[in-house]
Parts: sequence; structure tokens; C-alpha cells
Amino acid sequence: QVQLVESGGGVVQPGESLRLSCVGSGFTFSTYSIHWVRQAPGKGPEWVAVVSYDGTRTYYAESLKGRFTISRDNSKNMLFLHMSNLTVEDTALYYCARENLAYYFGSGSSFWGQGTLVTVAS
Amino acid sequence: VMTQSPAILSVSPGETATLSCRASQSVGGNLAWYQQKPGQAPRLLIYSASTRATGVPARFSGSGSGTEFTLTISSLQSEDFAVYYCEQYNNWPPLFTFGPGTTVDLK
Repeated sequence: QVQLVESGGGVVQPGESLRLSCVGSGFTFSTYSIHWVRQAPGKGPEWVAVVSYDGTRTYYAESLKGRFTISRDNSKNMLFLHMSNLTVEDTALYYCARENLAYYFGSGSSFWGQGTLVTVAS
Repeated sequence: VMTQSPAILSVSPGETATLSCRASQSVGGNLAWYQQKPGQAPRLLIYSASTRATGVPARFSGSGSGTEFTLTISSLQSEDFAVYYCEQYNNWPPLFTFGPGTTVDLK
């Protein structure tokens, strides 16, 4: 069955960097675009970024552009999110989420991981 | 910018719930609906405004285009009490935005 498992979250201080990872299984990883979506405690989901199935195209939420970098390694079925200059407002549960349809943007995210918690605090 | 109404919808089991989502500019049919329960990731219900995702019961239906969208839950069941989010997709540049959510709770 389709599985996405995130890792790399933790407690960091403001201004620090962190890299999140997501490993996919149970599907042909290299044919699906994958998103990072975050959810702050008690808030709704916030879209962070998406990378195309082949890794050649990346898009970011305007407010995060320049600080966050999404990438993938299809040979290892891995997705990454590098986050820099973190602030307390970046505290959230970070999910990776797979597009519903292969080779597609905008078909909804039909599979989600369990999330990895990032806490930014001094 | 996405808005959802109402913020809270109180319904009884067996009733029909109608949730609205409005976009500040046209998104065509590029809209999805999700259900989220406490401690769980969002679950995709509807994509492309009106297409049910795999395994979603037929009591969930989506409609609309442009700036106005509706999620209808017919004959509400106990497991449907949750928060519902719409998500719009902008074709270019590819950007995604979630609405603030509608909580469907027990009347």
C-alpha cells in the first residue's frame, strides 16, 4: 500500500536550519509530484511547496520563497525540505503529500504521511 | 484568498450539510475538498471541483466553478463530523491555497 513517512523534525532555535525527509513506498515514486504541507497547532493546513515528478520544477508559497528549498531523489524514493532562518512562526507539523494523479499538478493530495513536528523556540 | 462559510455548521445525523468555498479570483475547476479529524492528516474527498476521490462515499458531492464552490454531504453520518477544507490550485504559477475550514459538528 502507499506509504509516506516523514522524519527530521525536532526543536531548533530561531535562525537555525533544518532538513526534513520523506520516504515513499508502495507506488512508482518517480511518476508523482509531491507537496510539503504544514499545519500549526490548532490551525488549518498551509501549503508550503511542490516538486514535479521528475524534480525539474519546484514551486513555493510566496511567503516562504527564499528560505525553504524542496528537492527529491527518485533513485532513493526520497523527498526533502531544507528550511533555513527558521522563526517561531514556522512551528508546525510538516506533512509530505502525494498528488492524486501521476504526472499531474492540481489533482488533490490523496496520500499523506503522519507528519514530523518542527518546533522553533528559544 | 479563499473563504469558507459557515465557520461552524451544526447538523443532526441524517440531515444534509452544505458547505461553501469562495475564491477571490477564478480558479476554473481547480478545487479540492478535504476532511480532517483530530490527530489525523487531511483526507482527499473531491478534486477538480466535482470528482470524488477513490473510496469516497457517494453521499459526498462537489459542485461549482470559477469562484463559487459547494461541498454537499447528504444523509450525514456520525463519522462525517469533522473539519472540511477547500484547496484551490492556481494554474500559473502553480500555487496552492487552503481555505480556513468549516467545522461540521453535532446539533
